[in-house]
Amino acid sequence: GEDVEQSLFLSVREGDSSVINCTYTDSSSTYLYWYKQEPGAGLQLLTYIFSNMDMKQDQRLTVLLNKKDKHLSLRIADTQTGDSAIYFCAESYGQNFVFGPGTRLSVLP
Amino acid sequence: NAGVTQTPKFRILKIGQSMTLQCTQDMNHNYMYWYRQDPGMGLKLIYYSVGAGITDKGEVPNGYNVSRSTTEDFPLRLELAAPSQTSVYFCASREEGGGYEQYFGPGTRLTVT
Repeated sequence: GEDVEQSLFLSVREGDSSVINCTYTDSSSTYLYWYKQEPGAGLQLLTYIFSNMDMKQDQRLTVLLNKKDKHLSLRIADTQTGDSAIYFCAESYGQNFVFGPGTRLSVLP
Repeated sequence: NAGVTQTPKFRILKIGQSMTLQCTQDMNHNYMYWYRQDPGMGLKLIYYSVGAGITDKGEVPNGYNVSRSTTEDFPLRLELAAPSQTSVYFCASREEGGGYEQYFGPGTRLTVT
């Protein structure tokens, strides 16, 4: 079946850039997403990219999509302590959404 | 707008008990979803609905039932709770068509002992 994989943990120093990586298996995905989950809360959409795009930039966030390798990444520039959270990669095809296990980002002062 | 609301926030059930997790959205979204989130795992889709009166199974529907009598409400029913259903349950909704963002509720943490 469809699968989305991510590394589970990432630690960075405040002010550095964070790069969170994701691989997916379904080449027919129409959209790929990055969601953020803060403790005790539901997921919140950070950004998404259409499958025919290579890159999308939104303020401190840069999303890169390599369709050939089925690889998606999220770069957070100038990472702040408020960016500490779990980040989920997800893909959609039709009505279905498939989420990765989430990457827990810890930002160290 | 309150967005997506879920009740209760926490619940402890004994094995074999039943309960209904409530989900309501006030955004007039046609599409609604139920997910479960197990530790270290991504969200797994339990059931979804594309409009009132229409529901369909997701990846892990066994042990659950849903109904969608109105656009606003999408309750999830557990009939005979089992320890394997210990999880955090999230309800989500989105617009039909071009709106691809899912709006999530705050979740219900369920423990079955």
